[in-house]
Amino acid sequence: RKEVEQDPGPFNVPEGATVAFNCTYSNSASQSFFWYRQDCRKEPKLLMSVYSSGNEDGRFTAQLNRASQYISLLIRDSKLSDSATYLCVVLSSGGYQKVTFGTGTKLQVIP
Amino acid sequence: NAGVTQTPKFQVLKTGQSMTLQCAQDMNHEYMSWYRQDPGMGLRLIHYSVGAGITDQGEVPNGYNVSRSTTEDFPLRLLSAAPSQTSVYFCASSYNYEQFFGPGTRLTVL
Repeated sequence: RKEVEQDPGPFNVPEGATVAFNCTYSNSASQSFFWYRQDCRKEPKLLMSVYSSGNEDGRFTAQLNRASQYISLLIRDSKLSDSATYLCVVLSSGGYQKVTFGTGTKLQVIP
Repeated sequence: NAGVTQTPKFQVLKTGQSMTLQCAQDMNHEYMSWYRQDPGMGLRLIHYSVGAGITDQGEVPNGYNVSRSTTEDFPLRLLSAAPSQTSVYFCASSYNYEQFFGPGTRLTVL
């Protein structure tokens, strides 16, 4: 089983739709969780951190479920500019050598 | 503030050649790392550094060397390029667990 798993997609959704991605992780000792966004042929950029209590940033909501070992990202009112690949990142105990990236979920927002 | 810069943007090598990928950051971050990104594999950590003079291996270090003589620079050396090293290479610096990536180097080994 991969340490971090994501559905590769693509998720094709119309503008204005709500879309959600999940990411599962296998190491129960994982400590920190993040969502990164990567545009085609560009570098990843931090979208948001995921806190135990969940967090929201505008149209984006991230949640953590430690019991089931997954994190989620919800995007409301999708925009064309949201089209990108969303990477799940898990940091486990041990510092930076335990940063694990998921393979990403591709989102395509359609006019 | 340039952030993280990488050179070159593109490179084609022949099997057996060596080269150095350059990475520099101007944010005074202690932590820097090198990743490779391959289709269907996600980003994989090659080497990382927690400060000048300190480096360590990541998940896929074979065939690569690093050094960290200054806080700003973290070059990645390919000792003898192989076709399996064809990939996109990203350098990152980190602060409070947020990683700032450079624009990447697309390397093809023939």
